[in-house]
Order: sequence, then structure tokens, then C-alpha cells
Amino acid sequence: KAGVTQTPRYLIKTRGQQVTLSCSPISGHRSVSWYQQTPGQGLQFLFEYFSETQRNKGNFPGRFSGRQFSNSRSEMNVSTLELGDSALYLCASSETGGRGNTIYFGEGSWLTVV
Amino acid sequence: GESVGLHLPTLSVQEGDNSIINCAYSNSASDYFIWYKQESGKGPQFIIDIRSNMDKRQGQRVTVLLNKTVKHLSLQIAATQPGDSAVYFCAENQGGSNYKLTFGKGTLLTVNP
Repeated sequence: KAGVTQTPRYLIKTRGQQVTLSCSPISGHRSVSWYQQTPGQGLQFLFEYFSETQRNKGNFPGRFSGRQFSNSRSEMNVSTLELGDSALYLCASSETGGRGNTIYFGEGSWLTVV
Repeated sequence: GESVGLHLPTLSVQEGDNSIINCAYSNSASDYFIWYKQESGKGPQFIIDIRSNMDKRQGQRVTVLLNKTVKHLSLQIAATQPGDSAVYFCAENQGGSNYKLTFGKGTLLTVNP
């Protein structure tokens, strides 16, 4: 079974631009969550989706948004990029997102904002 | 890839020794805990998990111990190998039905040959 796939792996954007990151979960997994990882803040939860519905959201500004499609693929978007948005963005999937469901992570998308 | 998790607690061991990585969690309502391994330039890799109704769980070369009284979690790696060198994170699910993991800062494990 293929793992969680994220694209693109690396990207560089200019301050003020917007970016869209894509995630394909493990086949059969319907819960997709996103995390931001930085040296200063570590791994922080962004949001979680199940059946195209956002069920949980972390403490990030409204510039961070996401969505999930009917095939469980997910995208996240960051608008009006700031230098501080430079980070590794990780997508994770699990079967239902319920307690005890193992969460598997992708390799991440490295975003650099200049 | 870039390095994440700078200024981490570090643990240096000799190949073949046992390693113990510790983690304190904050929320007494947390009922599910996971250990992840993250190698440079890669995403976190699931190692082992434990639910709050258990004190101990064993996997292949790894054991997780949970002490709910002091809100402490540990990961023991037996016969540590150079390939075990990585950053190790504990994560907790603070209750509720929707997944939101809260991660610790991580520990950098270095295995010396």
C-alpha cells in the first residue's frame, strides 16, 4: 500500500503570494490532518478533515485554509504569505481519525518564503 | 533537506546499548499516546502507541511505558543501532473524538558506532 503522498516536496514563494499544497492519503483512509513544523514551534496542528468536513482546527490565522475532496485527497492553502510561514508542512492520514487510529505522516512539503 | 527541531534535548549512546527517551505530557485527560521517529529531511514515522488503560506496550526492539500518576511517557530502544539515530517525538491525543495530536519538542538520539 502506498503511503501518504505530498506534493510539491519543495517550493519557494515570495512574501505576499499564496500557495497550495496537496496530499493524497493512504488508500482507504478518510481522515486527513495537516501540521506545520518549524524549529521554533515544533509540530503544530493546523486542521483535520473527514468526509470533506473540517472537524477540528488549530490556532492559526484565517490565511491558512484547507479542503478535502470526495476521494479523501486534501489541499491546504496559505494566502498572503509571510516570512514566518516558512516551514515543513506535513499531511497525515488515518482510517477515521477516531481515538486509537494510527496516524501516518507523509514526507512533507518544504515551503520557503523569501 | 533542512533540519527541524533545533536546540533539542539530546541523547548520545553507543551502538548496542539500550536507549531511554523520556517525555512529560501536560493534559491528564490525554488518553492516547504515540511515539514517532523523524529522520533528517523526512516526515515522522510511527513507532509505537499506547492507550491510557495500559502501563506498558512492547514492539520490535521498542517498549513504551506510561506513568499516568506523574504524566510521564518513555520509549525504550533495545540494542540501539546507527539507523536509530533520529529525532524522537512523543505525541498525545487530548481526548475527544477528532484527531488532534499535541507533540512534544522532541529528543535527538545519536548512536555512536
